[in-house]
Amino acid sequence: GIQVEQSPPDLILQEGANSTLRCNFSDSVNNLQWFHQNPWGQLINLFYIPSGTKQNGRLSATTVATERYSLLYISSSQTTDSGVYFCAVDTGFQKLVFGTGTRLLVSP
Amino acid sequence: GAVVSQHPSWVICKSGTSVKIECRSLDFQATTMFWYRQFPKQSLMLMATSNEGSKATYEQGVEKDKFLINHASLTLSTLTVTSAHPEDSSFYICSARRQGGPTEAFFGQGTRLTVV
Repeated sequence: GIQVEQSPPDLILQEGANSTLRCNFSDSVNNLQWFHQNPWGQLINLFYIPSGTKQNGRLSATTVATERYSLLYISSSQTTDSGVYFCAVDTGFQKLVFGTGTRLLVSP
Repeated sequence: GAVVSQHPSWVICKSGTSVKIECRSLDFQATTMFWYRQFPKQSLMLMATSNEGSKATYEQGVEKDKFLINHASLTLSTLTVTSAHPEDSSFYICSARRQGGPTEAFFGQGTRLTVV
């Protein structure tokens, strides 16, 4: 099956810093989504981005499907950005395969 | 975005008992819903695909007799963990998409199950 690897696995930032999270996948995908999992476990939809670039406030994402990767940019990080970030890919059967996750801690 | 509601948010049960978890799509219909499981500090793993009006399809290694799935309507899927054991303790979370074509998946709040 498809492999979805995220890097870095852990990231510690000072408040106000910028960061880039990466998601690599091993096969062609129909769709890709980015999620933020908060401390209570809720998955918050960040981006639905099978290709191209999207921006939403301090967050933006870029997917280069032909090269099988996606990037999530967080600018001016805040403590509320802490949590786990997952990318997930859909290979055509509507089932999402989740990446390994990046655990982010933003300190004040 | 679409709203998916899951209930209960957390449950504690005794070994040997069964627990039912509900997943509802509140503002759209979903012929297909998905159930995932997440162990501490790990990623989400797909357990099964819930199909309205037909049998669920289970991922390899998931016991269909232990994890009973019923998708009786276009807005409700249930997961029943039967004869629960401590190793079934986990975070269970469902997802759904609007009908028709590839679309964004939305997730319920999740259910934290502890079996004692």
